[in-house]
Amino acid sequence: GAVVSQHPSWVICKSGTSVKIECRSLDFQATTMFWYRQFPKQSLMLMATSNEGSKATYEQGVEKDKFLINHASLTLSTLTVTSAHPEDSSFYICSASRGRVYDYGYTFGSGTRLTVV
Amino acid sequence: TQLLEQSPQFLSIQEGENLTVYCNSSSVFSSLQWYRQEPGEGPVLLVTVVTGGEVKKLKRLTFQFGDARKDSSLHITAAQPGDTGLYLCAGAGANNLFFGTGTRLTVIP
Repeated sequence: GAVVSQHPSWVICKSGTSVKIECRSLDFQATTMFWYRQFPKQSLMLMATSNEGSKATYEQGVEKDKFLINHASLTLSTLTVTSAHPEDSSFYICSASRGRVYDYGYTFGSGTRLTVV
Repeated sequence: TQLLEQSPQFLSIQEGENLTVYCNSSSVFSSLQWYRQEPGEGPVLLVTVVTGGEVKKLKRLTFQFGDARKDSSLHITAAQPGDTGLYLCAGAGANNLFFGTGTRLTVIP
């Protein structure tokens, strides 16, 4: 089956620093990947759509300069949280589909728990 | 953003009981998916429904897509402790997926 690997699983950083999260499709190519954010006991909120070789598409209210997305290859998308602050602490999850969503659905990474202190 | 409301938000039942989770939206979706998420992990796909009125069964789980493709339900028969988790419906947009508000299910042994 399709496998999406996310790294790191958890990270603690100091306020003002930047953190990079990687999302890799291990056994398929993904021209599109998605980044979600999830607060405790809440649902997933789509942040942006990462497009291979082009700019990401951000959802309304998501700061593109704060959350930098790079999708340089068909198997890797990165999310960089720049100048992190405690309010950026959250669970970040990426996803991709290996084919038609009707047939394969979306495969999610295991998530990254970011804590900014 | 297309809003999908799930009800109930929380559900705690005894092992062996039946339950139904609802997912409602004012938007029409080309397809709708149900996921289950364990703490600290990403969601795992349970099913995709595509056709209005479609019913799919996976062992003790029955999924239904509304005729107008705006709503869906998940029915679990004889719930087991292993069914505990966060259940999420998700509507497929043109190029992305919008998640429902979630239902946190706890099955007590």
